[in-house]
Amino acid sequence: DAKTTQPPSMDCAEGRAANLPCNHSTISGNEYVYWYRQIHSQGPQYIIHGLKNNETNEMASLIITEDRKSSTLILPHATLRDTAVYYCIVRVGGGNAGNMLTFGGGTRLMVKP
Amino acid sequence: GAVVSQHPSRVICKSGTSVKIECRSLDFQATTMFWYRQFPKQSLMLMATSNEGSKATYEQGVEKDKFLINHASLTLSTLTVTSAHPEDSSFYICSARDPRGGNTEAFFGQGTRLTVV
Repeated sequence: DAKTTQPPSMDCAEGRAANLPCNHSTISGNEYVYWYRQIHSQGPQYIIHGLKNNETNEMASLIITEDRKSSTLILPHATLRDTAVYYCIVRVGGGNAGNMLTFGGGTRLMVKP
Repeated sequence: GAVVSQHPSRVICKSGTSVKIECRSLDFQATTMFWYRQFPKQSLMLMATSNEGSKATYEQGVEKDKFLINHASLTLSTLTVTSAHPEDSSFYICSARDPRGGNTEAFFGQGTRLTVV
């Protein structure tokens, strides 16, 4: 799986949009971009994933650059409960998606009042 | 989304004893589950892949005789930490993928915090 690079930490004001970047310059054509988050002392939680088109769900939006070498996770209106470590992971999807995930350091997002 | 449940959420045990952690997929069948370990302020590290009806696959550096994995059914995998040592104190997390509907995301249990004293 391709390696990802994320800033170790970010702050965001409550109610504002949180934009979390991720670089994955060595991503392969069949690799998806997945985002998970881990709130303190809990298991990771799936947020969103995409291949090349931008994606949106009830939790967040995922913007993937045209060359797919980077992406941004957007939490449109961050709340204090969004404080967590956010992991960007690239991996092959489809039939191999049952395989394990390789976690990097992630970004520790602190949402402040 | 699919639900993966771990039990217990916290356990304290004495050095030299064994501890069993259960991971259940509550509303789907999982032929494969994964066990991770996370030390404080570090990321998750894969320990092993649990395969229903066959032997687990361990990552390099993980002792298979110390971390016993059993995947006896399509909804249950267990991790037993044998002869626990204080350095085994960690946060253990399992995950599984819900294969229904072409889902590709993994679902995680809530984790088990093990403290060996």
